Amino acid sequence: GIQVEQSPPDLILQEGANSTLRCNFSDSVNNLQWFHQNPWGQLINLFYIPSGTKQNGRLSATTVATERYSLLYISSSQTTDSGVYFCAVERWNTDKLIFGTGTRLQVFP
Amino acid sequence: DTAVSQTPKYLVTQMGNDKSIKCEQNLGHDTMYWYKQDSKKFLKIMFSYNNKELIINETVPNRFSPKSPDKAHLNLHINSLELGDSAVYFCASSQIGPSTDTQYFGPGTRLTVL
Repeated sequence: GIQVEQSPPDLILQEGANSTLRCNFSDSVNNLQWFHQNPWGQLINLFYIPSGTKQNGRLSATTVATERYSLLYISSSQTTDSGVYFCAVERWNTDKLIFGTGTRLQVFP
Repeated sequence: DTAVSQTPKYLVTQMGNDKSIKCEQNLGHDTMYWYKQDSKKFLKIMFSYNNKELIINETVPNRFSPKSPDKAHLNLHINSLELGDSAVYFCASSQIGPSTDTQYFGPGTRLTVL
């Protein structure tokens, strides 16, 4: 099956710092989503981004489908950004999302 | 307005018991899912339903039986609970279209089997 690897596995930042999270996948996909799981366990969809670039406030994401990777940028990080960030992909015509291993982000004041 | 809701939020039970988790979405989506998140935070799809029809069954033991009475509800019944069933179970929904397939997750149900 498709492999989805995220890096780094853990990231510790001070408030105000910028960061880049990476998602590599091993096969062609028609669907890629980024999620944030907050410390209370809630999973929030950040981006639906099978290709191209999107921005939402301090967050932006870029997927280069031909090279099988996606990047999530967090600028001016805040303590509320803490949690686990997941990338999830769907191979063509499989109708199921495969989640990556996650990046645990801790932002300290 | 809760988009995807699950009940109960916590469930503690003994091995061998049967339990159910309910899920409802008010987004008008056609597709609903159940995911399991283990203690290492790994998320894996279990089932998906589209308009009450089972689409995906990811080699889940047949002790797990999803039921979709209508497209807004997808319940999960688990028979003969085992210690390894302890996990957080998430329900999700989406509306699959040509330019979107964003999944919306419920708050999760933390199941502890003693």
